[in-house]
Amino acid sequence: ETGVTQTPRHLVMGMTNKKSLKCEQHLGHNAMYWYKQSAKKPLELMFVYSLEERVENNSVPSRFSPECPNSSHLFLHLHTLQPEDSALYLCASSRDPGLAGGGNEQFFGPGTRLTVL
Amino acid sequence: GQSLEQPSEVTAVEGAIVQINCTYQTSGFYGLSWYQQHDGGAPTFLSYNALDGLEETGRFSSFLSRSDSYGYLLLQELQMKDSASYFCALLAGGKLIFGQGTELSVKP
Repeated sequence: ETGVTQTPRHLVMGMTNKKSLKCEQHLGHNAMYWYKQSAKKPLELMFVYSLEERVENNSVPSRFSPECPNSSHLFLHLHTLQPEDSALYLCASSRDPGLAGGGNEQFFGPGTRLTVL
Repeated sequence: GQSLEQPSEVTAVEGAIVQINCTYQTSGFYGLSWYQQHDGGAPTFLSYNALDGLEETGRFSSFLSRSDSYGYLLLQELQMKDSASYFCALLAGGKLIFGQGTELSVKP
């Protein structure tokens, strides 16, 4: 248990569906992240939020829409996805995104396994 | 841009020592982190090096040489539960860039 929870753990959706992934952190951190992890590929950073403001959008298609209503919650809204979007979506948090040095490690949630049919 | 390279697979026996190497390229550098991920689980933080040298945490140690753009994770007294994927990650520009991961298999 890392203090970061994600729901749902598994999601199957069609290409025309709209769904949302939820992440919640109980660590008092100021930064939250969305990553995509596909098989045999590195974790790909999608979005970074610092104090509820988006500070990074890593050229992610608009069919992925993040939302950060407060520093403890992060959502990823999904619509008209493609089969190649099937992956493990990981949420993480850290004290601060810009802080260099130790003590700013990222804590990951268990992920949502997404399958797009 | 930034990039990292690490071996895709390593196999070792229980009780042995294994070293997982990571080389990187970056225009800006703050530090190198290591994360462990068991199959189906969340990545968990293992260690962080910002300066050259060795950092030791129990059975795990991590080394960094900034002049060689190189680091490694050393795992001693291997246990079956150490079978997992290990990722090096570059902290640069306020974000983490992950390597593709090394799958470690520990055999009895």
